[in-house]
Amino acid sequence: SFELTQPSSVSVSPGQTARISCSGDILTKKYARWFQQKPGQAPVLVIYKDTERPSGIPQRFSGSSSGTTVTLTISGAQVEDEADYYCYSAADNNGVFGGGTKVTVL
Amino acid sequence: EVQLVESGGGLVQPGGSLRLSCAASGFTFNEYAMHWVRQTPGKGLEWVSGISWNSVASGYVDSVKGRFTIFRDNAKNSLYLQMNSLRPEDTALYYCAKDSTSAVEAPAGYWGQGTLVTVSS
Repeated sequence: SFELTQPSSVSVSPGQTARISCSGDILTKKYARWFQQKPGQAPVLVIYKDTERPSGIPQRFSGSSSGTTVTLTISGAQVEDEADYYCYSAADNNGVFGGGTKVTVL
Repeated sequence: EVQLVESGGGLVQPGGSLRLSCAASGFTFNEYAMHWVRQTPGKGLEWVSGISWNSVASGYVDSVKGRFTIFRDNAKNSLYLQMNSLRPEDTALYYCAKDSTSAVEAPAGYWGQGTLVTVSS
């Protein structure tokens, strides 16, 4: 099995840039995805294949990868971006989520 | 429109069993892998299990191996999770999620709303 490690919380002022890291050895070999989850709602995919953004996701969301770390960047964070964010990766028919990062925009 | 509707959750005593179901519509079900993901109230997401389009490949998180079984019926466009020997720590909201490929890789952009499983005496 493998693990993904995220910071538990990130705070950002509206209009500023938030960066959320996700670290794990598997990330040197496998892609990561990022999910946004707001209270009482199912998760929403915001980034796949480390850097790709699904249709309908605002351009302020971007992803990057370097070695054992992938990063989700929210450029010009909005109040509505306040949510929990989870990274995910998989190998050999097994998946794992990171522990999640609570992003506060205030 | 893609829809995933989970059912089968409820209150069960420790050691008991439940079978969760996920009814899929709006896409060609037999072309995609599927996943179960759970979330304990107030906690993070946990990948539980995934199954390939043709049921040949599947995987489980270590904590459920030997107790849970994932299976699918492509003729009925349905995904299932048979949960045996349930423990209090299995209490969670269980989501069904569609993969973007036919292999067991990753939940993608389509999730159900979840079904709640409570294991308690």
